[in-house]
Amino acid sequence: AQSVTQLGSHVSVSEGALVLLRCNYSSSVPPYLFWYVQYPNQGLQLLLKYTTGATLVKGINGFEAEFKKSETSFHLTKPSAHMSDAAEYFCAVTLGSGTYKYIFGTGTRLKVLA
Amino acid sequence: NAGVMQNPRHLVRRRGQEARLRCSPVKGHSHVYWYRQLPEEGLKFMVYLQKENIIDESGMPKERFSAEFPKEGPSILRIQQVVRGDSAAYFCASSPNARTGPVWNTEAFFGQGTRLTVV
Repeated sequence: AQSVTQLGSHVSVSEGALVLLRCNYSSSVPPYLFWYVQYPNQGLQLLLKYTTGATLVKGINGFEAEFKKSETSFHLTKPSAHMSDAAEYFCAVTLGSGTYKYIFGTGTRLKVLA
Repeated sequence: NAGVMQNPRHLVRRRGQEARLRCSPVKGHSHVYWYRQLPEEGLKFMVYLQKENIIDESGMPKERFSAEFPKEGPSILRIQQVVRGDSAAYFCASSPNARTGPVWNTEAFFGQGTRLTVV
């Protein structure tokens, strides 16, 4: 069965510092992987996704993630944090070659310190 | 260019009442999904619907919960006789076509959610 683990339910970084949010998955078939961001009282917005091809994926707002099959990881990074990045971030996987059913991690709340 | 619209945004119900949550998908999208987010947890899949059909309801509680997506109008998630444990954020998502040839669609667009509080 597919599952997603996000290490660290809360992460704090200083403004301008590197952002690293960790995501590990388990899947018996090649996964499609996603990062979503949720601002307070808002819906989920897609940051980036990996389906096939290049393992380094660039998304919106300066975020990127690298699919590492050997480590079953899909960590999200941003070189320099901005105050507006404060939000909750969810990693998700879909079953098989994409499908409709997302399996979400429990989320990581990012706090950016001035 | 309206996205997925959910209403109401906030809903308060007393135990035993019914809750009706509405979702209008992105224009042109024929596939709707409902997810539930319990406090301090990630989103959990509930049900997948196409127009007038329930495709997968494996994540729906067996009792009190039902969903529909009629030919005309929004998708409705109905919770009968609500209990405190139903308090959660309910998110709707839509996609244009779940499958195009051999390839499944890889992105769903999410609404802002309905936050249900049962008192």
